Amino acid sequence: DAGVTQSPTHLIKTRGQQVTLRCSPISGHKSVSWYQQVLGQGPQFIFQYYEKEERGRGNFPDRFSARQFPNYSSELNVNALLLGDSALYLCASSLSTGAQYEQYFGPGTRLTVT
Amino acid sequence: QKEVEQNSGPLSVPEGAIASLNCTYSDRGSQSFFWYRQYSGKSPELIMSIYSNGDKEDGRFTAQLNKASQYVSLLIRDSQPSDSATYLCAVALTGGGNKLTFGTGTQLKVEL
Repeated sequence: DAGVTQSPTHLIKTRGQQVTLRCSPISGHKSVSWYQQVLGQGPQFIFQYYEKEERGRGNFPDRFSARQFPNYSSELNVNALLLGDSALYLCASSLSTGAQYEQYFGPGTRLTVT
Repeated sequence: QKEVEQNSGPLSVPEGAIASLNCTYSDRGSQSFFWYRQYSGKSPELIMSIYSNGDKEDGRFTAQLNKASQYVSLLIRDSQPSDSATYLCAVALTGGGNKLTFGTGTQLKVEL
């Protein structure tokens, strides 16, 4: 079975621009979460979506937004990019929402803001 | 105090030895505990999950959980050079959906 897929793999943007990252979960998984990982740190939670509804939001500014589609794929949007937004953006899928459900990560999108 | 703490390492062990990776967490409402392996430049890969006190074994990996001490560990037996990676400890809270809170990771180096 295919794992979590993300696109694009790499992205270079300029400060102030906007970016959209895409994620397709494992088949049968209905929950998608987004994380940001900067070099030398563990991933930081940004959003969780389940059945197209936001189920959790981390401590990130309103420049970050996301949505989930009827086919359970998801997009993460970041507006007004800052240099500090440079990071690996990870999408994780799980069967459902709930602490007992394991999350599986996609390969990530590496965003560089110049 | 950080929510999830790990020694950043590097932890160096000889090939064939047991590697012991440790993690402490601060929130007693933590319900589920996960170990991820992350190779340099790659995304985290789930290797173990544990939910109740005690040991859980899967091949060369054993996860240990002690909720009273708020401590979770990962043992890797017969360590191989291919085990060299950063190991991330992650915690999910009861009632917190499955939002994961990660430690900063421990870098493991298995030497020939």
